[in-house]
Amino acid sequence: GENVEQHPSTLSVQEGDSAVIKCTYSDSASNYFPWYKQELGKRPQLIIDIRSNVGEKKDQRIAVTLNKTAKHFSLHITETQPEDSAVYFCAVKNAGGTSYGKLTFGQGTILTVHP
Amino acid sequence: NAGVMQNPRHLVRRRGQEARLRCSPMKGHSHVYWYRQLPEEGLKFMVYLQKENIIDESGMPKERFSAEFPKEGPSILRIQQVVRGDSAAYFCASTGTSGGTYNEQFFGPGTRLTVL
Repeated sequence: GENVEQHPSTLSVQEGDSAVIKCTYSDSASNYFPWYKQELGKRPQLIIDIRSNVGEKKDQRIAVTLNKTAKHFSLHITETQPEDSAVYFCAVKNAGGTSYGKLTFGQGTILTVHP
Repeated sequence: NAGVMQNPRHLVRRRGQEARLRCSPMKGHSHVYWYRQLPEEGLKFMVYLQKENIIDESGMPKERFSAEFPKEGPSILRIQQVVRGDSAAYFCASTGTSGGTYNEQFFGPGTRLTVL
């Protein structure tokens, strides 16, 4: 089955710096790569996603890049703010040709942004 | 449009009791996924259901765990004879049938199960 590795497990940055989180996956047929933010005691919320036919996607201070050949994708957060502090999870979906299917999650990265 | 609803939000059970977790998907959604999150870990897929059908239960333990999504009413994840290792947050997510071929999974607030 799919195996997703996420690094680093913890990341501490100063406000205004950039943060980068990386994930690798094992199944070359995977076709959808979302990133979720989870605050303490809350539900995971989608912050950005990318499909396998796109190499990069940006939404304001957040961007995701995908390298299908190397089977890795990264989350980039610029101009970090204390409100960005949370646990971030990458996920991978291999729908096997259909539109639906389970997500396989990475282990999570605890991001702390210091004022 | 109400989001994904789960109840109860917190559930305490003693070892050997049954736990019953409910999930109502977003309006118009007919695909439900259940995930388990152990303390300080990522989410692990358990089961994927459509109305009246289990599509993928590859992540669900064969013993003590069952899930259903009836034609009417919420999806239910049932854990029989709970053990301390079942203590976790259980999230459900739902997707619809429109909006392209890669549908976002919307998560509910979770049920935090504590087994004493």
